[in-house]
Amino acid sequence: DGGITQSPKYLFRKEGQNVTLSCEQNLNHDAMYWYRQDPGQGLRLIYYSQIVNDFQKGDIAEGYSVSREKKESFPLTVTSAQKNPTAFYLCASTMGGQGPGGSPLHFGNGTRLTVT
Amino acid sequence: GDSVTQMEGPVTLSEEAFLTINCTYTATGYPSLFWYVQYPGEGLQLLLKATKADDKGSNKGFEATYRKETTSFHLEKGSVQVSDSAVYFCALRGVVANDYKLSFGAGTTVTVRA
Repeated sequence: DGGITQSPKYLFRKEGQNVTLSCEQNLNHDAMYWYRQDPGQGLRLIYYSQIVNDFQKGDIAEGYSVSREKKESFPLTVTSAQKNPTAFYLCASTMGGQGPGGSPLHFGNGTRLTVT
Repeated sequence: GDSVTQMEGPVTLSEEAFLTINCTYTATGYPSLFWYVQYPGEGLQLLLKATKADDKGSNKGFEATYRKETTSFHLEKGSVQVSDSAVYFCALRGVVANDYKLSFGAGTTVTVRA
């Protein structure tokens, strides 16, 4: 079955360490996204990529970095510069076009990162 | 810029009660509007969508109508079940060509009691 796989489901790190969250999709989608979810704040866009080898900052990119070397993969690195990294991170993808409003976003099941 | 405002929760209902979650938006032109649902410990799933004024999206007994005059997209269900307990997000996709990112509301937590 096609879908988006995020791993691991839970991740624990010490403050000051960089950590990379994995996101892989086998939907052949062009565009991929990283959102951060905090209680009461909904989803906020960190980075997105519409094609391989290209990506753009979202609303809260500071302290994060991404790469898009392959169409199916869009890893997110949470660096030590991110002030409040503990959160639930969601990866999503979409085909793009495909009619009015575009095709919907498909989401992975998320990675819960805890930094202590 | 584009933004979405959702009614704050949490909302607690009894089974078979009527559910309404208000959503209003700010955007230029005619954005596409979506409702997503998130069950505990999972990612988001598309519930329904509407892409032009007066469109009604519907799925699993839920409905929402795109109202341009009031810039609203309220979610309704006539008779909720315990299995409808989840977090519901209203979202908007703007009209910029080839830009498919979504702007989300803060989410509304709904708990349905038997």
